[in-house]
Amino acid sequence: KAGVTQTPRYLIKTRGQQVTLSCSPISGHRSVSWYQQTPGQGLQFLFEYFSETQRNKGNFPGRFSGRQFSNSRSEMNVSTLELGDSALYLCASSLEGTGVYGYTFGSGTRLTVV
Amino acid sequence: DQQVKQNSPSLSVQEGRISILNCDYTNSMFDYFLWYKKYPAEGPTFLISISSIKDKNEDGRFTVFLNKSAKHLSLHIVPSQPGDSAVYFCAASQLISGGYNKLIFGAGTRLAVHP
Repeated sequence: KAGVTQTPRYLIKTRGQQVTLSCSPISGHRSVSWYQQTPGQGLQFLFEYFSETQRNKGNFPGRFSGRQFSNSRSEMNVSTLELGDSALYLCASSLEGTGVYGYTFGSGTRLTVV
Repeated sequence: DQQVKQNSPSLSVQEGRISILNCDYTNSMFDYFLWYKKYPAEGPTFLISISSIKDKNEDGRFTVFLNKSAKHLSLHIVPSQPGDSAVYFCAASQLISGGYNKLIFGAGTRLAVHP
């Protein structure tokens, strides 16, 4: 059973640019959540998508957006990049979005903004 | 406002001894708690969980204790092994209207187990 796949693994962008990250969940999983990991801040929740609908959102500015496709694959977009957006972005999939059963995380996309 | 706090950013333990990782939370509505382990260049992996109706859950070398009155949980690893060296994240789950949950993570504790 394939795991959660995130592409690309590494990305370098300049300030002001925009970036799109991709996440393919485990087959059959309909919930995809996105997290930002920075040193000292742990995993900050960005948003969750379920059946193509965003049903939960964290406290991030509107520059961070996402979407989910009918095959449950999800993309996350960050516009007008800032240096502080440099982080590891993790995607997690679950069957129904019930965190009690644990999420399965991808290996993440390391974004560096210069 | 951090609802889940891991106040020790790092912990160093000798191989064979006990590792105790601590986690505090502020929201009494959390109904499930989980621990994740993360190696460099990999995503976090689920380790062990505990429901708020229990005070202890054990899985092999890993035991999680929950003290609801103190809003505190801890992860015990006995005996610690060098392969346990990783970052450990505490997470809390809150049931949201609609019947699903949202996971809130702490900042993580880096455990180093020395031979």
